[in-house]
Amino acid sequence: EVQLVESGGDLVQPGGSLRLSCAASGFTFTNYAMSWVRQAPGKGLEWVSSINAGGGSTYVADSVKGRFTISRVNSRDTVYLQMNSLRGEDTAIYYCAKAISSSGYNLYWGQGTLVTVSS
Amino acid sequence: EIVLTQSPATLSLSPGERATLSCRASQSVSSYLAWYQQKPGQAPRLLIYDASNRATGIPARFSGSGSGADFTLTISSLEPEDFAVYYCQQHSNRPLTFGGGTKVEIK
Repeated sequence: EVQLVESGGDLVQPGGSLRLSCAASGFTFTNYAMSWVRQAPGKGLEWVSSINAGGGSTYVADSVKGRFTISRVNSRDTVYLQMNSLRGEDTAIYYCAKAISSSGYNLYWGQGTLVTVSS
Repeated sequence: EIVLTQSPATLSLSPGERATLSCRASQSVSSYLAWYQQKPGQAPRLLIYDASNRATGIPARFSGSGSGADFTLTISSLEPEDFAVYYCQQHSNRPLTFGGGTKVEIK
């Protein structure tokens, strides 16, 4: 059974940093790209970042470019999202997803972790 | 950036009725379009990929059609568990983008 378990969400002040983690199980992690997608309270879905299976290629949305970094450690079956210089508009549930490719659709989503940016 | 416009924003229907949801792209995305279902408090779930292919375990009452810039998700006969929000997503060009969603509610 595929499982994606996100962690690391918290209340943080504007300008602060957080690192989200997503632990994967139930599939061969090294065969799949991974993505982060967020959803602000009561709003729709927004793609944030993707990384290819090997970890050598990464992509981020313009809204977070220069502030967020995606990475993965295949030996740990884990993908990360390092978030710096956080803003109020980054407040959202952050979902980790198993993707068909780094520019493809998301096959399976985790349950998400809540990031709240507020003073 | 490719903009996806979903319509209607809300669809009020009764169980057993047919639901037709639209997703229009600001430029052609070929067949690189996916549909997701999201229920309150839950993560999205993949329903349809590449415009018309049902994901694993998705019931046959869900079908997708279209290509280029106009796409449709059809639920042939609504079951109680189908009342949810539905999103389309294009994966033709980066950045990957989602539509604003269509809420299918019980009439």
